Amino acid sequence: AQKVTQAQTEISVVEKEDVTLDCVYETRDTTYYLFWYKQPPSGELVFLIRRNSFDEQNEISGRYSWNFQKSTSSFNFTITASQVVDSAVYFCALSDEDYGGSQGNLIFGKGTKLSVKP
Amino acid sequence: DAMVIQNPRYQVTQFGKPVTLSCSQTLNHNVMYWYQQKSSQAPKLLFHYYDKDFNNEADTPDNFQSRRPNTSFCFLDIRSPGLGDTAMYLCATSRAGERFFGQGTRLTVV
Repeated sequence: AQKVTQAQTEISVVEKEDVTLDCVYETRDTTYYLFWYKQPPSGELVFLIRRNSFDEQNEISGRYSWNFQKSTSSFNFTITASQVVDSAVYFCALSDEDYGGSQGNLIFGKGTKLSVKP
Repeated sequence: DAMVIQNPRYQVTQFGKPVTLSCSQTLNHNVMYWYQQKSSQAPKLLFHYYDKDFNNEADTPDNFQSRRPNTSFCFLDIRSPGLGDTAMYLCATSRAGERFFGQGTRLTVV
């Protein structure tokens, strides 16, 4: 069975601190996709990144970086120099793929609520 | 430019009174999803369409139905809302693994 675990329920940091959000996943599929979404108080799920199971390169996008390690089934997300606008709930998610990549269900972790204080 | 649009953003309905939530997309994606997200929980898939093929999750209550009259539109009908159906309802589309969510409809059943 597929499962995503985000062990940190809530994290509070002070602005400019670095913060890492942990994500551990379980799947028996050899082909799968991992995602991170941001959900601000307005409610919309904002796509941050999608990574397939064959690409273990770490990725950096501005202040955001992701560390994918298949050996530990982890896909951690780091925000460098956090800002108040980063305050949101962050979800890690896992998807299998059927029919050319569109039909897989998205299995979400329970989310980590990040509060960045000025 | 919004690509997945949900209406209304906020909806209050009475216990037992049918309600319909709508979702439209400008992406021409063939897959559309409806998720339910209760307070402080992760989104939970209710059902999805692959073109016109409807796929219901096993634990989705019969009270929830969906219609997809064309590629662009998808509706979520709740026949007899209960207090426990108060939640955010999220619509999403997908093609080639990319998934896009709308802003959601916050439904309150009173």
